[in-house]
Amino acid sequence: AQRVTQPEKLLSVFKGAPVELKCNYSYSGSPELFWYVQYSRQRLQLLLRHISRESIKGFTADLNKGETSFHLKKPFAQEEDSAMYYCALLYSGAGSYQLTFGKGTKLSVIP
Amino acid sequence: DSGVTQTPKHLITATGQRVTLRCSPRSGDLSVYWYQQSLDQGLQFLIQYYNGEERAKGNILERFSAQQFPDLHSELNLSSLELGDSALYFCASSVSSDPGNEQFFGPGTRLTVL
Repeated sequence: AQRVTQPEKLLSVFKGAPVELKCNYSYSGSPELFWYVQYSRQRLQLLLRHISRESIKGFTADLNKGETSFHLKKPFAQEEDSAMYYCALLYSGAGSYQLTFGKGTKLSVIP
Repeated sequence: DSGVTQTPKHLITATGQRVTLRCSPRSGDLSVYWYQQSLDQGLQFLIQYYNGEERAKGNILERFSAQQFPDLHSELNLSSLELGDSALYFCASSVSSDPGNEQFFGPGTRLTVL
């Protein structure tokens, strides 16, 4: 079955330190991958998707099909990056699709 | 504020009961998605409606059903409730039927089954 794994429930880093939130997936086809973020007391929102290959709020994520990973990175963490981050996998087939989320990683940036 | 509204904010009910959760999408959005977020299962996609028609099903139980009305608001019906159905239920909306396009989430309805 298709699966998304975020191995860290909680990740704490100091302000200014690099951040890497890990996401591994299992899917044999061509997936679409996303990162969603939920800041405290705010709604879940899309952060970025791999097909757009853009940097949002300084975050980037590269799809590595060989390692089946889609890790989220930022060179210098900011306090406002503290939030819950979810990796999601979208795969289509037989006229429908499935959207699977990881269980999330809580990022805490220490001032 | 994404413009997606959900009512009620909180719902407390007993096992075996039936409840209805309501979602109003952003103006102009034709798709509505429903999600369940629980401590043990995480965030799970339940179902999508596009312009009144069911578009895709995820991990939705047979006890659960949804519909989208002509004014595009949607309702999620949960019946024969069990303790394990306690969760936060989100809806999201987007302009098109493509689930890969940006979805705008509502604040959620917190359901507690006692």
